[in-house]
Amino acid sequence: EDQVTQSPEALRLQEGESSSLNCSYTVSGLRGLFWYRQDPGKGPEFLFTLYSAGEEKEKERLKATLTKKESFLHITAPKPEDSATYLCAVQDNSGNTPLVFGKGTRLSVIA
Amino acid sequence: DTEVTQTPKHLVMGMTNKKSLKCEQHMGHRAMYWYKQKAKKPPELMFVYSYEKLSINESVPSRFSPECPNSSLLNLHLHALQPEDSALYLCASSQAAASGYTFGSGTRLTVV
Repeated sequence: EDQVTQSPEALRLQEGESSSLNCSYTVSGLRGLFWYRQDPGKGPEFLFTLYSAGEEKEKERLKATLTKKESFLHITAPKPEDSATYLCAVQDNSGNTPLVFGKGTRLSVIA
Repeated sequence: DTEVTQTPKHLVMGMTNKKSLKCEQHMGHRAMYWYKQKAKKPPELMFVYSYEKLSINESVPSRFSPECPNSSLLNLHLHALQPEDSALYLCASSQAAASGYTFGSGTRLTVV
């Protein structure tokens, strides 16, 4: 059974204090790993897809990396508007299986 | 058009009411999904439609009835709900396997 574990559950940072969020996963074969950002009361917003170990993607202050067991979402010099819940999800390659989500990391960036 | 549109944004219904949630996308995606999300929890899969046919039903109670009239539309019919069904209901679509899901903004449902 596919599993996704995100840590920490919650993270509080000062503005400009860089940090990383972790997503550990277990799948029989990885088709893709996805990062989403979700603001309260809104739908998840797609950030990145990673397909193979060693792959990296960047968008503004965010950088996602992937190994065979985990993914990191690095946040460089965060701003208060980066405050949100960050969700990680995986899809395995055994047919058209839906995404399996982790519980998310709630990030608060304080000015 | 790169959006998934959900209506209504908010819905309050009594336990004896019948209502429907609507989801629309014009990206040509052939898979569409309904998720339920409680506060501070991840989205929980309810139904998957692939090429307008129901492919996954995650043991959802029959008071939730999905419908896919065409490749752009997805409905969720609600009847005799319970207060514990109050949640954010999210619709998503995807083009194919290994492509990211595009989520709508959700319908905030309150059952009174």
